Amino acid sequence: NAGVTQTPKFQVLKTGQSMTLQCAQDMNHEYMSWYRQDPGMGLRLIHYSVGAGITDQGEVPNGYNVSRSTTEDFPLRLLSAAPSQTSVYFCASSYSLEGDTQYFGPGTRLTVL
Amino acid sequence: DAKTTQPNSMESNEEEPVHLPCNHSTISGTDYIHWYRQLPSQGPEYVIHGLTSNVNNRMASLAIAEDRKSSTLILHRATLRDAAVYYCILGLYGGSQGNLIFGKGTKLSVKP
Repeated sequence: NAGVTQTPKFQVLKTGQSMTLQCAQDMNHEYMSWYRQDPGMGLRLIHYSVGAGITDQGEVPNGYNVSRSTTEDFPLRLLSAAPSQTSVYFCASSYSLEGDTQYFGPGTRLTVL
Repeated sequence: DAKTTQPNSMESNEEEPVHLPCNHSTISGTDYIHWYRQLPSQGPEYVIHGLTSNVNNRMASLAIAEDRKSSTLILHRATLRDAAVYYCILGLYGGSQGNLIFGKGTKLSVKP
């Protein structure tokens, strides 16, 4: 199994540009989530999904959109990038929503100029 | 959400045991204690979790106080590869939300 994969690894955007961060898992996990990590800080939850077609907001959802059309994929869209969105983004998945062990991807390092 | 308190940083010598403390005085009866770690430039990885009893796995041991208001992650023989940020997190297991709330964690340095 590849586990949780994320693309791209690095990205530089200009303010106002849009882009999609990709996340995929091959473990047939129902639960997937997106976190961001700012320098010297812990991770903060952006959005999560409990299954295909179902998404919900986390702690810091503003400026981000998600959708979940398949079990495997959970892309994160930045609608109009801002410098405050400069961060490292991690995708995670787990078998169930019930506090199961979460598996994290390697992260996408995003810089917004 | 219940909160945890951890030291910002700790140092250890290679091949010596490491005890990483965590205080969680407001823990509720249904909260499990999870430990994750994050190696430099990587995503977090699961280490161990427990509810009331001490737990052991191939990576570490988790010692939970009788009143559950504190716990300690034990690495029996630290290696250079154990240098990471260790997060102590409270979360429901068997509850309605599996989201993890990360604090700043403890940065562990291991000296050769």
